[in-house]
Amino acid sequence: GAVVSQHPSWVICKSGTSVKIECRSLDFQATTMFWYRQFPKQSLMLMATSNEGSKATYEQGVEKDKFLINHASLTLSTLTVTSAHPEDSSFYICSAKTGDEQYFGPGTRLTVT
Amino acid sequence: GEDVEQSLFLSVREGDSSVINCTYTDSSSTYLYWYKQEPGAGLQLLTYIFSNMDMKQDQRLTVLLNKKDKHLSLRIADTQTGDSAIYFCASRKGGGNKLTFGTGTQLKVEL
Repeated sequence: GAVVSQHPSWVICKSGTSVKIECRSLDFQATTMFWYRQFPKQSLMLMATSNEGSKATYEQGVEKDKFLINHASLTLSTLTVTSAHPEDSSFYICSAKTGDEQYFGPGTRLTVT
Repeated sequence: GEDVEQSLFLSVREGDSSVINCTYTDSSSTYLYWYKQEPGAGLQLLTYIFSNMDMKQDQRLTVLLNKKDKHLSLRIADTQTGDSAIYFCASRKGGGNKLTFGTGTQLKVEL
């Protein structure tokens, strides 16, 4: 199947700083990428849909000024958590859509201290 | 909106078959997916089925869809310890991008 990578796989940052997470589709082009958040032992919560060359569409309750999404190319989307707080600590997973299939990255564990 | 439900936990013995069930509420769901998540990892797409199909088989995996009852199942034949993981079903409407995930089923395979 198609491969999606994320970088970094884990990050620890201090409260108040910003963190950028990259999501890349390695062997296919993705006009649409997605960002999810997953809490321990829970399902995935869609945060936003990212379309190449246009603004992201955020789900209700997700602060667009806090979670900045940029989809600069057909193979790269980035999520920047701005002014991170401990409650932002979570597992962030991206996915990329090709045809009817959606492939997921391995996730990024963010810990804010 | 769409609601997707799964049982939380399933335990089977190695070599037995596992059946993981999922129900959804939106009859306009056109695509139904099964994903596997191992601890600390992302989701691996296992298989998916279109709503105009009743069954799909792929090696040890069999997906059954009862569209009338909005019920989806994933059968894993000859379950192995490596199959231990959380399994998510997800639905998507035709023409849409958004996946709606179920709560996930923790499969534990015992020796």
